Amino acid sequence: SQTIHQWPATLVQPVGSPLSLECTVEGTSNPNLYWYRQAAGRGLQLLFYSVGIGQISSEVPQNLSASRPQDRQFILSSKKLLLSDSGFYLCAGGLIGNTIYFGEGSWLTVV
Amino acid sequence: KQEVTQIPAALSVPEGENLVLNCSFTDSAIYNLQWFRQDPGKGLTSLLLIQSSQREQTSGRLNASLDKSSGRSTLYIAASQPGDSATYLCAVIEAGTALIFGKGTTLSVSS
Repeated sequence: SQTIHQWPATLVQPVGSPLSLECTVEGTSNPNLYWYRQAAGRGLQLLFYSVGIGQISSEVPQNLSASRPQDRQFILSSKKLLLSDSGFYLCAGGLIGNTIYFGEGSWLTVV
Repeated sequence: KQEVTQIPAALSVPEGENLVLNCSFTDSAIYNLQWFRQDPGKGLTSLLLIQSSQREQTSGRLNASLDKSSGRSTLYIAASQPGDSATYLCAVIEAGTALIFGKGTTLSVSS
């Protein structure tokens, strides 16, 4: 089965600083990859998804970006964080038609 | 636009009770439906995947059903235990898109 690795698990960043969250996938090739955000008390919001290297679809206009430099690597970035970027970020991946797996999440607090 | 609704939002039951969680979706043209469990502050754990051609899936004390024509799925938990306490999330996937989540049902099982 697949495993989704996500890091860092927790980070506290000042407003205006850059961000890089990394996600890697084990156990499969050519997965679809996703970044979700879960704000406190709210549902899961899809941020980006990717069907292949260099192919990124953005669901929500914001100051975040995503990249997929390798088949099993997905990176979420920001050049300048806002307070509203605080939340729980989840990476997910899987093959179409099969189970989608999630990582353990990254807690981001922007101060 | 696909919308996923989960009822009830919260549920408290005594240990040993059988229970049903409900999920409804507005567009029946789905690819798959997946049920997840989320413990506080953690990532999502996949429980069951039901592909569009299937009507139900079972894993241990869990049974999930899917009725595409009526836009409904149920998750049945038999003989509930305190360890079942968590938030349960339903998600659908349409062709060419990512998982679309409901807001979840938070289950509390008391001993």
